[in-house]
Amino acid sequence: KQEVTQIPAALSVPEGENLVLNCSFTDSAIYNLQWFRQDPGKGLTSLLLIQSSQREQTSGRLNASLDKSSGRSTLYIAASQPGDSATYLCAVYNQGGKLIFGQGTELSVKP
Amino acid sequence: EADIYQTPRYLVIGTGKKITLECSQTMGHDKMYWYQQDPGMELHLIHYSYGVNSTEKGDLSSESTVSRIRTEHFPLTLESARPSHTSQYLCASSEYGDGYTFGSGTRLTVV
Repeated sequence: KQEVTQIPAALSVPEGENLVLNCSFTDSAIYNLQWFRQDPGKGLTSLLLIQSSQREQTSGRLNASLDKSSGRSTLYIAASQPGDSATYLCAVYNQGGKLIFGQGTELSVKP
Repeated sequence: EADIYQTPRYLVIGTGKKITLECSQTMGHDKMYWYQQDPGMELHLIHYSYGVNSTEKGDLSSESTVSRIRTEHFPLTLESARPSHTSQYLCASSEYGDGYTFGSGTRLTVV
């Protein structure tokens, strides 16, 4: 059974810092991996989708990498801003296309 | 712009009432999903559909039911609401290779 783990559970950084969020999964036979952002009480916003044949994706200040052989993905946020404060969720696609979510990393960026 | 819509955004209702949470998408996706999320907790898949007239129960047992009569519409119904149903309900759709798109969610409170 696929399990997704995100470390750390919570992170507080000063504005301007570069940071890395980690995601690991137990079954390397995944199809795609997707990173989301969730603001309190809101829905999920897709940040980056990495397809199984890709190793990384970039969007603005965000860069996500995928290493299927080691069962890991990282989300790199450059020059963090207070508006980046949110919970970040990693999710992997199992067979059949269903998403398995990690518990999330709650990020707080202090001005 | 292609999107996924959930109504109502907030709902407070008395115990024993029948409710229907609406979810519609304009992307023509065959796959649609309902997730349940308690505050600060993980998302749990409660229902999914891979096309018209196809519905399946998810990983978390739920007393709710769903229907899929049209591709774009995937409503969730609770026949008799109870306080234990208080939660946030998130609808999503996907197509392989495109990733998941989530709605803004419905926050349900049963009093």
